[in-house]
Amino acid sequence: DSGVTQTPKHLITATGQRVTLRCSPRSGDLSVYWYQQSLDQGLQFLIQYYNGEERAKGNILERFSAQQFPDLHSELNLSSLELGDSALYFCASSVGTGNLGTEAFFGQGTRLTVV
Amino acid sequence: LAKTTQPISMDSYEGQEVNITCSHNNIATNDYITWYQQFPSQGPRFIIQGYKTKVTNEVASLFIPADRKSSTLSLPRVSLSDTAVYYCLVAGNQAGTALIFGKGTTLSVSS
Repeated sequence: DSGVTQTPKHLITATGQRVTLRCSPRSGDLSVYWYQQSLDQGLQFLIQYYNGEERAKGNILERFSAQQFPDLHSELNLSSLELGDSALYFCASSVGTGNLGTEAFFGQGTRLTVV
Repeated sequence: LAKTTQPISMDSYEGQEVNITCSHNNIATNDYITWYQQFPSQGPRFIIQGYKTKVTNEVASLFIPADRKSSTLSLPRVSLSDTAVYYCLVAGNQAGTALIFGKGTTLSVSS
């Protein structure tokens, strides 16, 4: 158990819908990262928050947004869903900002299926 | 952000030592090298991290030559359960640096 909790574990929704994925970082970790992993694809970095502020942005679509709340949990919002958004979405957390090779801890992921 | 290059795949047999090399020619002075392991449908797991020379822990060793332009993850006496994807990451202290994963190396261990 990495200490990072993601909910829900599975989500099935229809095209055009909006969903929210939730991540609770390890106790004491200030950084939260979001990743998308499609079938047979690598981990695509989406976005990072550090202590409530956006820290780094990857290839995140405009239909996607995220935020980190004062209690440090984070939510990833996916809207106008398309079939191609079906993927495993991982959240990770780390104590620091992610620099200098900080060890990150990953959750078990949310498997999103868009039908 | 330093670009990394790893073999796409490697095959091994149980009990053998496996060495996976990662090239990072434009590594910066402050960059650290970190390796992660990922099993199917699971999140990646930290294996080992180093800056220079050799680092060893209970699961692996990391060899980094003096020029730091490459690194080698060494897995001693692999078992079937070591079948996974292994990622090499290089990250420094640039503002906004995040954990960027490449395509990784798929290691297949057979009996």
